[in-house]
Amino acid sequence: IAGITQAPTSQILAAGRRMTLRCTQDMRHNAMYWYRQDLGLGLRLIHYSNTAGTTGKGEVPDGYSVSRANTDDFPLTLASAVPSQTSVYFCASSRLAGGGINEQFFGPGTRLTVL
Amino acid sequence: AQSVTQLDSHVSVSEGTPVLLRCNYSSSYSPSLFWYVQHPNKGLQLLLKYTSAATLVKGINGFEAEFKKSETSFHLTKPSAHMSDAAEYFCVVSGSDKLIFGTGTRLQVFP
Repeated sequence: IAGITQAPTSQILAAGRRMTLRCTQDMRHNAMYWYRQDLGLGLRLIHYSNTAGTTGKGEVPDGYSVSRANTDDFPLTLASAVPSQTSVYFCASSRLAGGGINEQFFGPGTRLTVL
Repeated sequence: AQSVTQLDSHVSVSEGTPVLLRCNYSSSYSPSLFWYVQHPNKGLQLLLKYTSAATLVKGINGFEAEFKKSETSFHLTKPSAHMSDAAEYFCVVSGSDKLIFGTGTRLQVFP
């Protein structure tokens, strides 16, 4: 089934630990995105990639890094997790980069708890 | 700059009654607007999108939204709520290089 997969589904992590959230899409979309969702704040963009080999910072990039080695994969890494990074993380993709009419397709999310 | 405001954080309706979820936007140019739905513990799914072709946009599951430039609004409606409509709904405006999400409206549907 075409779409976006994320792993793990959920994770409990000790503060200070390193964690990589995985995201894979099979739609050959150029652009990919990472959001975090927190109660009352909607979705906030962490990092994005307009095409393989490029990445950019979103609204809340501190404490996170990404890479885009190929079209399909867009992992998000927390180098040293802190409790404020407890959130639900969504990966998304769109056929083209930028705003305009490009709708985004979302993965099922990863629920991360940092203790 | 673009922004979007969802006027209600929670809306409760009875099954079979109309649904109205309100959204106002701000944009320095003609915007693209979207409504997404998120069911519990799920990702976001596109309900409908406005891209200047027609001011009344029909989406999935009987939802529709009307773009009103004079009121800078893009309210989401459905004539008759179903229990399965209970979810979080996000109004989204497209910026020059990214999507800008509202804070969401949680719709409760009572039997």
